[in-house]
Amino acid sequence: DIQMAQSPSSLSASAGDRVTITCRASQAINDYLNWYQQKPGKAPKLLISGGSSLQSGVPSRFTGSGSGRDFTLTINSLQVEDFATYYCQQSYRTPHTFGQGTKVEIK
Amino acid sequence: QVQLVESGGVLVKPGGSLRLSCAASGFSFSDHFMHWIRQAPGKGLEWISYISHTYTEYAAYADSARGRFTISRDNAKNSLYLQLNSLRAEDTAIYYCARGDYFGPGGLDSWGQGTLVTVSS
Repeated sequence: DIQMAQSPSSLSASAGDRVTITCRASQAINDYLNWYQQKPGKAPKLLISGGSSLQSGVPSRFTGSGSGRDFTLTINSLQVEDFATYYCQQSYRTPHTFGQGTKVEIK
Repeated sequence: QVQLVESGGVLVKPGGSLRLSCAASGFSFSDHFMHWIRQAPGKGLEWISYISHTYTEYAAYADSARGRFTISRDNAKNSLYLQLNSLRAEDTAIYYCARGDYFGPGGLDSWGQGTLVTVSS
């Protein structure tokens, strides 16, 4: 199985900060990398697919980059509503494994 | 609009069985791979299984599910199912169904609200 290592597992930031979350796959996955946001008690929401394709309706402050094994989710100018847990997921090969998550908390 | 509604989650004893359902509406169900993902209390997301839209015998499973869980779908009823057998305490989780893309490897762009399965004696 492909393992997804996300870092950090948590971070504290202030509104307006730029936040970067990384995800490393245990083998090359081309650009079959998706990012999700999950708020407490809610289902996850797809933010970015294919490594960098922003889903319709997702604010442009979210950007995804990377290919191969290393990927990054960047949130520019963090907003209050962005405080949540973020997960990466590879969809290159089944099982479509998730990273362990990154909790973004208010500093 | 796209809607996915899971049902069937209950309290079940270890070794028991259960069938989860996911009712889909608002899109062409037969054009999409469909997935099950679960989340144990306070833990991260775990991908469980997916099934092809047309070749419904084509499915894949996580190691934790293979041999105990069976995914199926009825395109005429716009419904997705997950049969859970030989349940263990570690299967306790919220189970989500989610919509994939036409070809298989895309992101999951719509999710249900989840249904809670509790395995306990």
